[in-house]
Amino acid sequence: GAVVSQHPSWVICKSGTSVKIECRSLDFQATTMFWYRQFPKQSLMLMATSNEGSKATYEQGVEKDKFLINHASLTLSTLTVTSAHPEDSSFYICSARGGEGARDTQYFGPGTRLTVL
Amino acid sequence: SQKIEQNSEALNIQEGKTATLTCNYTNYSPAYLQWYRQDPGRGPVFLLLIRENEKEKRKERLKVTFDTTLKQSLFHITASQPADSATYLCALDAGSGYSTLTFGKGTMLLVSP
Repeated sequence: GAVVSQHPSWVICKSGTSVKIECRSLDFQATTMFWYRQFPKQSLMLMATSNEGSKATYEQGVEKDKFLINHASLTLSTLTVTSAHPEDSSFYICSARGGEGARDTQYFGPGTRLTVL
Repeated sequence: SQKIEQNSEALNIQEGKTATLTCNYTNYSPAYLQWYRQDPGRGPVFLLLIRENEKEKRKERLKVTFDTTLKQSLFHITASQPADSATYLCALDAGSGYSTLTFGKGTMLLVSP
């Protein structure tokens, strides 16, 4: 149980385009979802926390107009990187928490590798 | 500021030995601490959670200790196998409602046959 999927697993796009990443909790309802970014050999850095049906809470230094997060249902959250630039190239990982079996634990998706040319 | 420190250098051990990884923290009072495994190009996989009132937790070949006085957690893998080679992350959570995890940078473990 407690499986989280992400789509796509990797994406290459041109500078200036927008990219949407989906995160789904497959077998539990995620009341809270988190989006992280990880650069090579670095720790996971939390970008934002989203609770179903409300606006996401962004960490300091993360532009909310650039990284649009939508958590419209208890099993789906999306992250849209708008007007992507090469410096946005990174590994984006979502996690989900919620339900009896996942009350305290965050279960992570497999990640999405974004490369902006 | 809050700080989590894990051994930055890779830990190399021989198959069959016990691997011990360290997680130290400062300026933090976590309600619980979690350990994750991360393989290259993959998301972290949850391994164990230990609460502030627990001294030790075990799961198969894994053992975690949590010393809130020393502000330290030790993560042990007994009878290590080459398949255990990965980066291991510790993460702290204050534990309230919608609190978030703060991750260390992780320690890479390499188990040689």
